[in-house]
Amino acid sequence: SSELTQDPTVSVALGQTVRITCQGDSLRSYYGSWYQQKPGQAPILVMYGKNNRPSGIPDRFSGSTSGNTTSLTITGAQAEDEADYYCNSRDSSGNHLVFGGGTKLTVL
Amino acid sequence: VQLVESGGGLVQPGGSLRLSCAASGFTFSSYWMSWVRQAPGKGLEWVANIKQDGSEKYYVDSVKGRFTISRDNAKNSLYLQMNSLRAEDTAVYYCARDAMYYFEYWGQGTLVTVSS
Repeated sequence: SSELTQDPTVSVALGQTVRITCQGDSLRSYYGSWYQQKPGQAPILVMYGKNNRPSGIPDRFSGSTSGNTTSLTITGAQAEDEADYYCNSRDSSGNHLVFGGGTKLTVL
Repeated sequence: VQLVESGGGLVQPGGSLRLSCAASGFTFSSYWMSWVRQAPGKGLEWVANIKQDGSEKYYVDSVKGRFTISRDNAKNSLYLQMNSLRAEDTAVYYCARDAMYYFEYWGQGTLVTVSS
């Protein structure tokens, strides 16, 4: 079982704001990161660290962390944001990396 | 940055397979590297990673003792030797550049199917 917990499904109306969350004790000690994966494609990094977006990721994506929860917020969701989103961090030991179970985002 | 995996295929339970990942566009010897897998219809699972000089290696418990990660910095290549393969090892295997707590770049993956 994953040490990081995500809601399996989340939906958002086109143009609205959605927050996808990831919970885990290790997030109190280590930053989380977020990946977007569309069907048949490799994951891509969309957020890492405190609130860092890789080059090419739209600024409607933002991140935050509070306590044992890291969040990915999409402000003004677009149809192309419909995808699976995974969080990732280190486990409690610090030696291993772990992923959350993933959140399927539907844009209505 | 480009990561290209190869070596996947169909293998019988108990068999072996060696995956390769050819890296280009960056100084390969300066980065940790990881293997991450995804079973059909399932989520992502980190498998193993290796330090820049190969002196440290870590594995998820489910593959410890069966899989070996290695690298050849002269050839800009990452490897995953998989022995005693099980049906539950069936997955797309991705190599990824490992920035210690996130994966900056991913390959397109190679499919490993373990079945009789």
